[in-house]
Formats: sequence, C-alpha cells, structure tokens
Amino acid sequence: QVQLQESGPGLVKPSETLSLTCTVSGYSINRGYYWVWIRQPPGRGLEWIGSIYQNADTYYNPSLKSRLTMSVDTPRNQFSLKLSSVTAADTAVYYCAGSPGYSGPFDYWGQGSLVTVSS
Amino acid sequence: DIQLTQSPSSLSASVGDRVTITCQANQGINNFLNWYQQRPGEAPKLLIYDASNLDTGVPSRFSGGGSGTDFTFTISSLQPEDVATYYCQQYDNLPLTFGPGTKVDIK
Repeated sequence: QVQLQESGPGLVKPSETLSLTCTVSGYSINRGYYWVWIRQPPGRGLEWIGSIYQNADTYYNPSLKSRLTMSVDTPRNQFSLKLSSVTAADTAVYYCAGSPGYSGPFDYWGQGSLVTVSS
Repeated sequence: DIQLTQSPSSLSASVGDRVTITCQANQGINNFLNWYQQRPGEAPKLLIYDASNLDTGVPSRFSGGGSGTDFTFTISSLQPEDVATYYCQQYDNLPLTFGPGTKVDIK
C-alpha cells in the first residue's frame, strides 16, 4: 500500500524559506511515478505547485517558479519542496501526491501539512 | 492559464437524490479532466480521470462525462458519506488548474 507523509516546520517567518519533505512508503520513488506538491490556503481551493520525476524532469507553476525548488532523494525514498521569500499568502496546507504522469491524475496523497507564515 | 468554473458552488440534497455538478473550461481541453472528492479535514481523493473513467474502488454511483469545454459529475444516489467538496482539475495545459469546488451537503 502506497503511503505519503509530509514533514517540516509548521511555522515559517516572512521572507524565509519554507521547506517540506514527503516520505514515500510502499513504493520505490524511482519506479516511474511523478511526485507532486499541491497546496490549499485555509478555506480555499487547490493550487498545483509542481511535479518532479527522478530529479530529471520538473514542471513548476509559473506563478511560483522563481521561488521554487523541488528535488528527489532516492536513497531515502523522499522528495522535497523549498519555497523561498515566503509571505502570508503562502500560508496553506501543503499536500504531497503521486501521479503516473506530470499532469496527473493524482492518485496518491499525503494527509497534508499546515504551514503558517507569520513573524 | 485555463480557468475552470464549477456550478453550483454549493448544494444541499436528500439521501438518495441524484446530484449533478458542472465544470466549464474557458477553452477546449479535450477530455483532459479529473474529479476529486475532499471530505472535511481530509486530503483530496481521485474519483474520476480522463473525464469519465472511474478510479479503482470508487463506487459506481459516481460518474463523469463531457468533452471540450463542458463537463458533468454525477452522484446517482447521494449517500451520507458523500458529504464533501468536489473539485475538477484540467491537465490539457500547464499550469495544471483546479476548479473552485462544489460543496455537497445532506438536507
């Protein structure tokens, strides 16, 4: 059974870098899936952040691209997200997900991690 | 960016009712549309991919259809466990985008 679990700080100061890791269990991270980050501001809808495949293929949302870095750590079966220069607008529940292609469908999801940007 | 609109934004129906949600794209997206269910406090769950294909294990009371710019999502007989927000998502063009969601409640 494939499981995803987000981890990282729940509170980040404005202008700093938000860092999250997603640990994948029950599936080898280099077996052919794309790994995805999606976020949801409190009480609002879903926003695709980006998709990555084995550190060789990345697709970023243009609205976040200048601040975004995604990477895969194959030995640890993890992938990560770094979002720099955060503001309160980046406060959201961040979900990691998996999909057979860079564009979805997103058929495996983590439970989500709330990240609040505040001083 | 491709914009998706969903109608209605919320609805309340009785157990056993047929419920239909529409998703409209501001340009043609072939059948490159997925539907997700998000129960309160949970992560989204894939229900339908490629506009009309039911994901594995999803009850057959859920169905989807449409192509181009207009899509529908139907629950043939609403159940209490279907209380959730439903989102459409297009993958015809980057960035991938979601609709604003339709909240479904039991009357």
